[in-house]
Amino acid sequence: DVKVTQSSRYLVKRTGEKVFLECVQDMDHENMFWYRQDPGLGLRLIYFSYDVKMKEKGDIPEGYSVSREKKERFSLILESASTNQTSMYLCASSSPGLEESNEQFFGPGTRLTVL
Amino acid sequence: TQLLEQSPQFLSIQEGENLTVYCNSSSVFSSLQWYRQEPGEGPVLLVTVVTGGEVKKLKRLTFQFGDARKDSSLHITAAQPGDTGLYLCAGVSYSNTGKLIFGQGTTLQVKP
Repeated sequence: DVKVTQSSRYLVKRTGEKVFLECVQDMDHENMFWYRQDPGLGLRLIYFSYDVKMKEKGDIPEGYSVSREKKERFSLILESASTNQTSMYLCASSSPGLEESNEQFFGPGTRLTVL
Repeated sequence: TQLLEQSPQFLSIQEGENLTVYCNSSSVFSSLQWYRQEPGEGPVLLVTVVTGGEVKKLKRLTFQFGDARKDSSLHITAAQPGDTGLYLCAGVSYSNTGKLIFGQGTTLQVKP
């Protein structure tokens, strides 16, 4: 059974704290993604990575950074958390190639609250 | 920038009713995907439509890709409470970088 796991389901942090969100996939996928999900806004891409140590900015990268040291793990870092980063964060992975393989497999999400 | 406009954003219906969700863009996509997300879970792929005009059926769900590959629809016949969830359309661009462009989502509530 393919799986994408995220380190926490719920997280509460204070303004200014450094926050790490971890994502691990067991499908040997090259591509990994971080999204944030807010009501009425759908999924917005923060960063994605198409290989180890490779990363590319998505639509809303400000205030975030990422790390991909191993193929199976993709970390999202909030250098100094702010209240407007309170959101649901979703990690996903996929394998490049054929049309159908654009399917993204998602983790269960981390609901982050910044106080 | 490619955008996908999804409508309606929220739908609350009685069990047994039919409904249609629309996904529209001014851009052309190589394919389009539909995902469903249940509370506390990540989205899960329902279907991918690849050819302009294509129709795919998944039990009571019918998915259509527009002839011009700019729009898609999801029609549910005789909705059940188990259909409740968030439905997301996602477009795949011809550059095929692996990135998806998501619509805003449609929250469907089916009341028994």
